Parts: sequence; structure tokens; C-alpha cells
Amino acid sequence: DIVMTQSPDSLAVSLGERATINCKSSQSVLYRSNNKNYLAWYQQKPGQAPKLLIYWASTRESGVPDRFSGSGSGTDFTLTISSLHAEDVAVYYCQEYYSTPRVTFGPGTKVDIK
Amino acid sequence: EVQLLESGGGLVQPGGSLRLSCAVSEFSFSSYAMGWVRQAPGKGLVWVSSISASGTGTYYADSVKGRFTISRDNSKNTLYLQMNSLRVEDTAVYFCAKPIGLGIAGGDYWGQGTLVTVSS
Repeated sequence: DIVMTQSPDSLAVSLGERATINCKSSQSVLYRSNNKNYLAWYQQKPGQAPKLLIYWASTRESGVPDRFSGSGSGTDFTLTISSLHAEDVAVYYCQEYYSTPRVTFGPGTKVDIK
Repeated sequence: EVQLLESGGGLVQPGGSLRLSCAVSEFSFSSYAMGWVRQAPGKGLVWVSSISASGTGTYYADSVKGRFTISRDNSKNTLYLQMNSLRVEDTAVYFCAKPIGLGIAGGDYWGQGTLVTVSS
């Protein structure tokens, strides 16, 4: 089974500053036949369902602000919020879907305002 | 607007059973695989089970295998999760979902969740 880890567990960033979250998978989630990384990022606010931000590691979901970006390949990935807004306070999860229809989430990273 | 509405959660004693339902609207339900994801209080997201579009393929996390059964009724646009032999550690909000991880086509949709509490 693929194990997902995230770092840091939490971070506090000033409004307008950059937030960077790292995600690592225990094995590559890059599918060689189509050269796609089976990695998604979700945002979850208290009391709400998760919201998809990024899939294929770097493709932004429709309607997601362009301050959110994803990068990385193979086993190491990053979610970057280029300029933190107050409404970005949330927990962020990476998820591999290389193992679909079994999927695995990372443990989450909590983002707060400094 | 696509809607996923879970129901059936509640308080149950250890060893008991519950059946969760997820009614889906404004969505080609029968075309896509669906799943259940749970979240224990204050904890992260954990995949529980998935089912293929036709219902012939079912998949489970090791923690629920043999105790939970996922099913669907495509004529009623409804997803189910039968939960037997419930344990205290099954306490969580259960989300019905058509996540991108089960297929890029069709989008990514989640219900608001239903709380299952297993306690004596």
C-alpha cells in the first residue's frame, strides 16, 4: 500500500505571504504510460466537505484561484499558496489515486494566519 | 446543481449495525464509480470503500473488510454502506463522494457527511 506523508503538520503564514506544503508518497505515483502523476490536493474547512484544488499534481480545478499551484513528480510534491488570503485558512490534504479504486490521503497540513 | 445527500447516521452500540444512504441528484450516477470516505473527530480523511459504476466491483479498506458492504441502486441514484459489527473506532463523519481519484471524468463531488457514533 502507498503511504502518504505531509510536512509540516501545521504552519502559520502572514496574510499576503507564501505558504508551502510538502507531500511525499512511499512509492512513485507517476504512471509511465501517460506520464501523469496520480496526485490531488484538497482543501477542507471546519464543518465542510473537502474541496478539490489540484489534480494530476499540477492541474488546477475549475474555479480555484490561481494563487494555488501544485508541482512535483514521482514521489515528491508541493502545494503552494502564493499569497495567503484569510479565506485560505483550512487543512490541506494530498491524495494519491495511483492505487485507484483504492485511494490514500495524506495526514493533512493545517494552515493558519500568523 | 449536483447534490449528494447522506442519511442514516446516528448513535449505535458497539457490535451494532447501521446502513448509510447517499441520494445523488443532477448527476449521471450510473456512469461513475463512487465511494465512502470517513473522518474521525479531529482527524484526517480516510478512504473506506469504493464501488464500480455497474456495482460489480467493490473495494474496501482493511479496517472495514468483512464488516462493511458497499452497494448501489442505479435505478434510484443511491449509494449505500451497510456497516455491521461496529466498533468504537468506526466513530466518524462518513462522506459519500465521487472523487476525482475514482475517475477524472464526471468531476469531483462530495456530500456534507453523516455522523456515526459508536458508543455504549
